[in-house]
Amino acid sequence: NAGVTQTPKFRVLKTGQSMTLLCAQDMNHEYMYWYRQDPGMGLRLIHYSVGEGTTAKGEVPDGYNVSRLKKQNFLLGLESAAPSQTSVYFCASSLSSSVIRGTQYFGPGTRLLVL
Amino acid sequence: EDQVTQSPEALRLQEGESSSLNCSYTVSGLRGLFWYRQDPGKGPEFLFTLYSAGEEKEKERLKATLTKKESFLHITAPKPEDSATYLCAVHYMTTDSWGKLQFGAGTQVVVTP
Repeated sequence: NAGVTQTPKFRVLKTGQSMTLLCAQDMNHEYMYWYRQDPGMGLRLIHYSVGEGTTAKGEVPDGYNVSRLKKQNFLLGLESAAPSQTSVYFCASSLSSSVIRGTQYFGPGTRLLVL
Repeated sequence: EDQVTQSPEALRLQEGESSSLNCSYTVSGLRGLFWYRQDPGKGPEFLFTLYSAGEEKEKERLKATLTKKESFLHITAPKPEDSATYLCAVHYMTTDSWGKLQFGAGTQVVVTP
C-alpha cells in the first residue's frame, strides 16, 4: 500500500497563477483533509471531506477550493495564488469513526512558493 | 479561545538523557488527544491516542500520559533516531457533530550522540 500520496512535491508559482494539488489514498478511508503548515504554527485545516462528493470548510478556507469526485482522490485548488499562500500543504485521510477521527494518515507534503 | 500549547519549542538532549514534552489544552469536551512525530521534509506520523485522564500509552522509548488539562510525552534514554518534531492534537466537541481537531505548534527534539 502506498498510503497517502501527493502531487507535486514542490512548485513555484507567480502571484495570480492557478494550480491544483492532488491527493490520493489507497486505504479506502472515508475522510480526507487538506492542511497547511507554516513555521511556528500548528497544522491548520483548510477543507475536509466526509465522503465522495462532499466537502466542507475548515479553519482557513479562503482562497482555496476543493473537490472529491472519487473516494480515493481529494483535490485542492488555488484559483489566484497569493504570496500568503506560500506554505507546506499536507493531505491526510482517516476512517469515519468519530472516536478515532484524530488518527489521521498524512501524505509527504507539497511545498509551494508563491512569488 | 480554545488553545493547544506545546512546550518547550525546542529541546536538545544528549543520547540517554531522558526528558518530557508538554501539551496543554484549554478546550472543553475532549474527545481525544493525539501525538504525532514529524521528520524533516515529511508528513506527520501517528504515534498515540489518549481518551481519558489517567490513560497511558507506550511505544519503545516513548510514553504518553494524559491529565485533565495536559499531556506529557516522556522520552526515556533517547537515541539520535528519536530526533524529530513531536506534535500533539486535540479533538474536541463543538456545535457541529464533527467537532474540531486542533494541532499544537510542536516541539523540535534533537538528540546528539
